[in-house]
Amino acid sequence: RKEVEQDPGPFNVPEGATVAFNCTYSNSASQSFFWYRQDCRKEPKLLMSVYSSGNEDGRFTAQLNRASQYISLLIRDSKLSDSATYLCVVTGVNTDKLIFGTGTRLQVFP
Amino acid sequence: NAGVMQNPRHLVRRRGQEARLRCSPMKGHSHVYWYRQLPEEGLKFMVYLQKENIIDESGMPKERFSAEFPKEGPSILRIQQVVRGDSAAYFCASSPWAQLGRTGELFFGEGSRLTVL
Repeated sequence: RKEVEQDPGPFNVPEGATVAFNCTYSNSASQSFFWYRQDCRKEPKLLMSVYSSGNEDGRFTAQLNRASQYISLLIRDSKLSDSATYLCVVTGVNTDKLIFGTGTRLQVFP
Repeated sequence: NAGVMQNPRHLVRRRGQEARLRCSPMKGHSHVYWYRQLPEEGLKFMVYLQKENIIDESGMPKERFSAEFPKEGPSILRIQQVVRGDSAAYFCASSPWAQLGRTGELFFGEGSRLTVL
């Protein structure tokens, strides 16, 4: 079983739509969780952290369910510029490294 | 403040040759990570280094791959006797501190794309 699993997509949505991505992780001892964004043939960049209480940054909302080992990202009012691959990331246990999911590709069309 | 610099951006090698990928972290960053991304796959952790020390190399293949981060100069990822399966994008990332759980922020370079013919 992969340490971090995501639906690869692609998710094709019109501008203005709301879209949600999910992610599951295998190690219940994982402590910290993040979403990164990667544009085509570019480097990944941190989008936001994910907290148990949920957190929001503009049109983006991230949630964590530790009991189900499940992380989500919600994007409201999608923009063309949101088209990218969204990577679910967890920290390793007792190690200083980030473990990346394979990513979910989003394509927003006019 | 320059970002993470990787070179070369593109490298073509024939089977059996050596590939050397270089990474200069952001100024003030002493923690360097190397990741490999195969086509249509996620980023796979390879190695984590601090100046002159390998901290975690659990993701490095046992043979042909090595990494260093000398006191002076860039971090180097070296692949000896390359094979077609080594073709991938190799990303370097840096951080000013350990304990990535605090912020989760790694600053990535633009990657070095290795093609093995």
